[in-house]
Amino acid sequence: GENVEQHPSTLSVQEGDSAVIKCTYSDSASNYFPWYKQELGKGPQLIIDIRSNVGEKKDQRIAVTLNKTAKHFSLHITETQPEDSAVYFCAARDSSASKIIFGSGTRLSIRP
Amino acid sequence: GAVVSQHPSWVICKSGTSVKIECRSLDFQATTMFWYRQFPKQSLMLMATSNEGSKATYEQGVEKDKFLINHASLTLSTLTVTSAHPEDSSFYICSAAAEAVGGTQYFGPGTRLTVL
Repeated sequence: GENVEQHPSTLSVQEGDSAVIKCTYSDSASNYFPWYKQELGKGPQLIIDIRSNVGEKKDQRIAVTLNKTAKHFSLHITETQPEDSAVYFCAARDSSASKIIFGSGTRLSIRP
Repeated sequence: GAVVSQHPSWVICKSGTSVKIECRSLDFQATTMFWYRQFPKQSLMLMATSNEGSKATYEQGVEKDKFLINHASLTLSTLTVTSAHPEDSSFYICSAAAEAVGGTQYFGPGTRLTVL
């Protein structure tokens, strides 16, 4: 089955700087990679996703890149703001089923 | 995006009792619903996948007789924790997906279960 690894586990950046979170996956047949933001005590919120037929996708300050050959994908947040502080999860959809496999999460803190 | 609700948002129960958690897709029909549990500072762990009108598929290590899942309609799935014990205390989160929303999984706000 699919296995997703995520790094770093914690990340602290100065407000206004960029943050990058990286993930790798094991199943080369996985074709869908969503990113979720989870605030304390709440459910995960989809912030951006990418499918395997594209290499990059951007939505305002958030971008995701995908390298299918290396089985890597990354989340980039530019011009970070205090409200970006949260736990971020990458995920990959297992090609054998519809279920999503989550990475271990990254706790992002934005320093004022 | 699509909206998924959960009820209750939190529940406290005594050891040995059963608790039911509801998950609803509010503005789309969910052909598939998922149930996760999350312990503090950990990732989401998939418990089971359910398709409307059929039996749920449980992940390895999840007791299907303890965690009863019913997906009776395209907008409602329920998780019943039977004979709850303190170790069942956790954050339970559902998600719903359908081809009508591109197969994307949308998550509910979660239910905090505390078993005394």
